[in-house]
Amino acid sequence: DAKTTQPPSMDCAEGRAANLPCNHSTISGNEYVYWYRQIHSQGPQYIIHGLKNNETNEMASLIITEDRKSSTLILPHATLRDTAVYYCIVRVGDNYGQNFVFGPGTRLSVLP
Amino acid sequence: GAGVSQSPRYKVTKRGQDVALRCDPISGHVSLYWYRQALGQGPEFLTYFNYEAQQDKSGLPNDRFSAERPEGSISTLTIQRTEQRDSAMYRCASSLFSGASYEQYFGPGTRLTVT
Repeated sequence: DAKTTQPPSMDCAEGRAANLPCNHSTISGNEYVYWYRQIHSQGPQYIIHGLKNNETNEMASLIITEDRKSSTLILPHATLRDTAVYYCIVRVGDNYGQNFVFGPGTRLSVLP
Repeated sequence: GAGVSQSPRYKVTKRGQDVALRCDPISGHVSLYWYRQALGQGPEFLTYFNYEAQQDKSGLPNDRFSAERPEGSISTLTIQRTEQRDSAMYRCASSLFSGASYEQYFGPGTRLTVT
């Protein structure tokens, strides 16, 4: 799998948008970008994923650059409960199901 | 609906004992994955199944680790002759189908402590 680079930590004020960057400069054309988060010792929670187009769901938006070498996860109105480690993962697309390779992620702290 | 469940949630065992960790995936999910997570790190892949077939076991650290999913639903991860270095959180995930476009849903994990 292509590797990703994320800042180790970020702060965000409560109520503001949190923008979490991810670099994946070696991504291939059939690799998806996934975002998960992990709160304390809970299991990783799926947030969103995309291939080429920007995506939005009830949790977040995913903005993928045109060259696909980087992406940004946007939490539009961060709350204290969004404090977590956020993982950006790229995953090869084929029919045989690939595991996720988790890096160290970004520790987001939402401050009151 | 019910998510992925795992049991036991906590397991303390003595070095040299065998342990069996259970995963109950989301109903109807074809693919089931096992991961191991050390404190402060992201999950690390161990093995995965499509239905009852073990598709990839490249992440299993050694032959003391094995997994099965005999009826294509519940899965068991077995660690024989446990060692202290096996202490970790063991996580199970499932997805509707295999393939990169299908997200995985994780269970709460089993925290294994080998004394």
